[in-house]
Amino acid sequence: DAGITQSPRHKVTETGTPVTLRCHQTENHRYMYWYRQDPGHGLRLIHYSYGVKDTDKGEVSDGYSVSRSKTEDFLLTLESATSSQTSVYFCAIMGGRGTEAFFGQGTRLTVV
Amino acid sequence: DQQVKQNSPSLSVQEGRISILNCDYTNSMFDYFLWYKKYPAEGPTFLISISSIKDKNEDGRFTVFLNKSAKHLSLHIVPSQPGDSAVYFCAASETGANSKLTFGKGITLSVRP
Repeated sequence: DAGITQSPRHKVTETGTPVTLRCHQTENHRYMYWYRQDPGHGLRLIHYSYGVKDTDKGEVSDGYSVSRSKTEDFLLTLESATSSQTSVYFCAIMGGRGTEAFFGQGTRLTVV
Repeated sequence: DQQVKQNSPSLSVQEGRISILNCDYTNSMFDYFLWYKKYPAEGPTFLISISSIKDKNEDGRFTVFLNKSAKHLSLHIVPSQPGDSAVYFCAASETGANSKLTFGKGITLSVRP
């Protein structure tokens, strides 16, 4: 199994509070991604990184920010959580073009 | 606008028969396609991929077909087994897009014993 770990695995938080999800990899892969999975929407890209301190927005980036200060860690922050951000969040890593992405186990976030 | 479409939300197949899962895309710049399988409470796992320079790729019971002119790909599972029951996602990427994967909404496959 690819060395990718998400933390926490489950979290319940209140509306308006900040939340940070962590993705940690031991594969030294260049590319890292944050997706969210919602019923009827599949997997949608939030933000991604193509190197240390190199990040870009995905299709559903509003309300989220990311940081990657070292190769192995990619953080996703919800500055002020809203109920619409209740979802399952997946981190993925990829070594390069023409290869597959490996996914973490997911973080189930509930905003009440 | 959805660039990867999986228009059938679900499929039910008898064990031992063929499962055919379809996927359409609109972005002609996509040149690499993948299928992922997902069980409940787990992350998606890679199943099979195909480059746009090919029209078929086979791995055991799984075969992916690509029809570039129709912007269509399909995943064939033969024979289907109850353990294949899962959600299947089609994904695509394009050269120069920092290897971003764009996913479809997924198809729930149920294989009946």
